[in-house]
Amino acid sequence: QSALTQPRSVSGSPGQSVTISCTGTSSDVGGYNYVSWYQQHPGKAPKLMIYDVSKRPSGVPDRFSGSKSGNTASLTISGLQAEDEADYYCCSYAGSYTFAVFGGGTKLTVL
Amino acid sequence: EVQLVESGGGLVKPGGSLRLSCAASGFTFSTYSMNWVRQAPGKGLEWVSSISSSGTYIYYADSVKGRFTISRDTAKSSLYLQMNSLRADDTAVYYCARDVFGSYGFDYWGQGTLVTVSS
Repeated sequence: QSALTQPRSVSGSPGQSVTISCTGTSSDVGGYNYVSWYQQHPGKAPKLMIYDVSKRPSGVPDRFSGSKSGNTASLTISGLQAEDEADYYCCSYAGSYTFAVFGGGTKLTVL
Repeated sequence: EVQLVESGGGLVKPGGSLRLSCAASGFTFSTYSMNWVRQAPGKGLEWVSSISSSGTYIYYADSVKGRFTISRDTAKSSLYLQMNSLRADDTAVYYCARDVFGSYGFDYWGQGTLVTVSS
């Protein structure tokens, strides 16, 4: 059960856009449209931001969007705000044996 | 309001056992799959185990297979994780998380309970 690959850190200025990638294999990201993204502030529980590759739960700003191409999923945050500074994790369904696998996490810094 | 409240964490010696509980409220517990996800200190998230709404289908990460047992009690709206043969690398905050209905993903999370395995 290898973790999905994410960049360790990304940064952007307020108002800019950033994209976080999440690379897996055909057995997880590429094989299913079940990629989800989580935001985690220090000392807090994770929060679901995107599920099913590109769906936003109620209450999540439309500045957050998700996409997928082949074995790589992406989370794009537009109009960066200070409160977006957090750790972000991707997760993919990986079939009935492995079930679920997370990425290593990406620290987003708002400059 | 959906609430998930974990309990049962604490300090345990290597080789010991612990049982975590997650009390659910604010939704129809019997219709949702439930999960345990853990996070070692300063590390990323790791999926641990999942159980279907009926309890029929159960899945474990390789790292805990044969040592941990997930279960649920619909009458009590509670999720459990029995952890045996604990090791130092099981030290983590353990989160209870609800599945997105009809899909895969975790839409509500508890606050977590810390399990420390140390002699």
